[in-house]
Amino acid sequence: QSVLTQPPSVSGAPGQRVTISCTGSSSNIGAGYDVHWYQQLPGTAPKLLIYGNSNRPSGVPDRFSGSKSGTSASLAISGLQAEDEADYYCQSYDSSLSVFGTGTKVTVL
Amino acid sequence: EVQLVESGGGLVQPGGSLRLSCAASGFTFSSYSMNWVRQAPGKGLEWVSYISSSSSTIYYADSVKGRFTISRDNAKNSLYLQMNSLRDEDTAVYYCAREDTARDDAFDIWGQGTMVTVSS
Repeated sequence: QSVLTQPPSVSGAPGQRVTISCTGSSSNIGAGYDVHWYQQLPGTAPKLLIYGNSNRPSGVPDRFSGSKSGTSASLAISGLQAEDEADYYCQSYDSSLSVFGTGTKVTVL
Repeated sequence: EVQLVESGGGLVQPGGSLRLSCAASGFTFSSYSMNWVRQAPGKGLEWVSYISSSSSTIYYADSVKGRFTISRDNAKNSLYLQMNSLRDEDTAVYYCAREDTARDDAFDIWGQGTMVTVSS
């Protein structure tokens, strides 16, 4: 059972903005550990989407943005596109051990 | 091209053993910490184990501690996961992932995964 909680699913129409929350506690996100986000398209390996709370690796569209506050973090996708339909996971650390969020399936209506 | 390729997965009976390998290419393997992450069928990602660049620091998830052993051979650009006393719940796709200090220790490169099935 993960210590980082995400909503199981979110959905939106093309062009809309959706947000995914990642809720932790004082032993992980609240302790100051960075949060990273990954996108996993069906049948493929995860891909780094956001690192260090809000930074995008080269090649990731600026439609994706991340933020962190207190014991939570969020991933926002603006201008939702069909190819954004995937599973999204947050990742941080808890007592120096890596932990992943429960995962969120994004559906484009 | 920066690449990680896992191998060694397969079908094994409960209580059995398996050794996974991860071959790295396109970057200086000895400069990076590495991780194993698994994903059970239809489930989310679960971090399994970490090894520092020099093998001086190793961590395990509680679910595999005492049963799995992570190791690396920098001369062969390879990462390993020795899995003993396997259980049904170890059935998963196993990914190796590079940890990048330049990206705040995010897992920036992932392999394609290798499937491990534990079943009688």
